[in-house]
Amino acid sequence: NAGVTQTPKFRVLKTGQSMTLLCAQDMNHEYMYWYRQDPGMGLRLIHYSVGEGTTAKGEVPDGYNVSRLKKQNFLLGLESAAPSQTSVYFCASSYLAGVDNEQFFGPGTRLTVL
Amino acid sequence: AQSVTQPDIHITVSEGASLELRCNYSYGATPYLFWYVQSPGQGLQLLLKYFSGDTLVQGIKGFEAEFKRSQSSFNLRKPSVHWSDAAEYFCAVEVVEYGNKLVFGAGTILRVKS
Repeated sequence: NAGVTQTPKFRVLKTGQSMTLLCAQDMNHEYMYWYRQDPGMGLRLIHYSVGEGTTAKGEVPDGYNVSRLKKQNFLLGLESAAPSQTSVYFCASSYLAGVDNEQFFGPGTRLTVL
Repeated sequence: AQSVTQPDIHITVSEGASLELRCNYSYGATPYLFWYVQSPGQGLQLLLKYFSGDTLVQGIKGFEAEFKRSQSSFNLRKPSVHWSDAAEYFCAVEVVEYGNKLVFGAGTILRVKS
């Protein structure tokens, strides 16, 4: 099993450009999450999904959109990138939530917006 | 509001010395607690987790953590540090909102002196 994979690994954008980050998991997990990691702030939740076809906002959703058309994929979109979105983005998935359901993380995507 | 505090931003220990990384949480309900490790340029790997029961939990790579409800703490320990333990360590609490998201501390960077 590949676990959780993310593409691309690195990306540089200019302000105003758009892009989509892809997260894929092969563990048949129901829950998927997008976090961003900024220095000194840990990870913060952007959006999440509790199943195929569902999405919901997390703590810091502004400027991002997501889609979960297939159970194994969770896409994060930036419609008009801003320098404040320079960050490392992590996708995670879990089978369910709560007791004994850990989140598995992908390797991350490092995004720089100039 | 729920939060996780890791008081030490950086810690340096000598190889072979013992290690303790501090974590304090604020959460009204029974906490589900986690420690993750992140090597440079890598994703997050779960070291150990606490859901209930025995307050001393064992994890991978020789790590353990002790849950102390009275102190709202979940400190990570290792009796003898190896150079390969140099990484960033994150404490997290699972909260029952936003799809059972994880709330992370800011992280502690561990440096190991040879």
